[in-house]
Amino acid sequence: KAGVTQTPRYLIKTRGQQVTLSCSPISGHRSVSWYQQTPGQGLQFLFEYFSETQRNKGNFPGRFSGRQFSNSRSEMNVSTLELGDSALYLCASSPYSSYNEQFFGPGTRLTVL
Amino acid sequence: DQQVKQNSPSLSVQEGRISILNCDYTNSMFDYFLWYKKYPAEGPTFLISISSIKDKNEDGRFTVFLNKSAKHLSLHIVPSQPGDSAVYFCAASADDKIIFGKGTRLHILP
Repeated sequence: KAGVTQTPRYLIKTRGQQVTLSCSPISGHRSVSWYQQTPGQGLQFLFEYFSETQRNKGNFPGRFSGRQFSNSRSEMNVSTLELGDSALYLCASSPYSSYNEQFFGPGTRLTVL
Repeated sequence: DQQVKQNSPSLSVQEGRISILNCDYTNSMFDYFLWYKKYPAEGPTFLISISSIKDKNEDGRFTVFLNKSAKHLSLHIVPSQPGDSAVYFCAASADDKIIFGKGTRLHILP
């Protein structure tokens, strides 16, 4: 079974721009969660999607949004980028829920200049 | 408010000895706990988990202990091997959320 894939792997943007990151979960997995990892904050939960619906959301501003398609693929969008958005963005999938074992992708490294 | 705390940012252990990674939590509603391991340039990988109805779960070299009264869990790795050098995240989950700690970097010394 193919693992979780994320594209692109690396991205450089400038302040004020917007960015869209993509995640393809493991086949058959319906739950997709997004996390932001920064050196001082560890893994911070952004949101979880299940069957095209946002099921849970972390404490991030509205500039961070996402969606899930009928094939369970998910996209995350960040608008009006700020320097502090530079981070590793990780996507994780699981069959039913983010609250048990999840399978993570390799992440997208976003640098905002 | 940090609900899941890994108070040791890093830990160095001699190869062959026991590695003990600790994690504390504040919310008694958490009912499932997990440990993930992360190598550089890779996503975290699931290691081991424990339900709140148990106090120990073992899988090969990895054992997780849960002390509910102290709201504390620990991961024991024995014997430690060079490939265990990585960042370890503990996570706690309840019905509506999962919270990760900030991670502990484990260095296995030759």
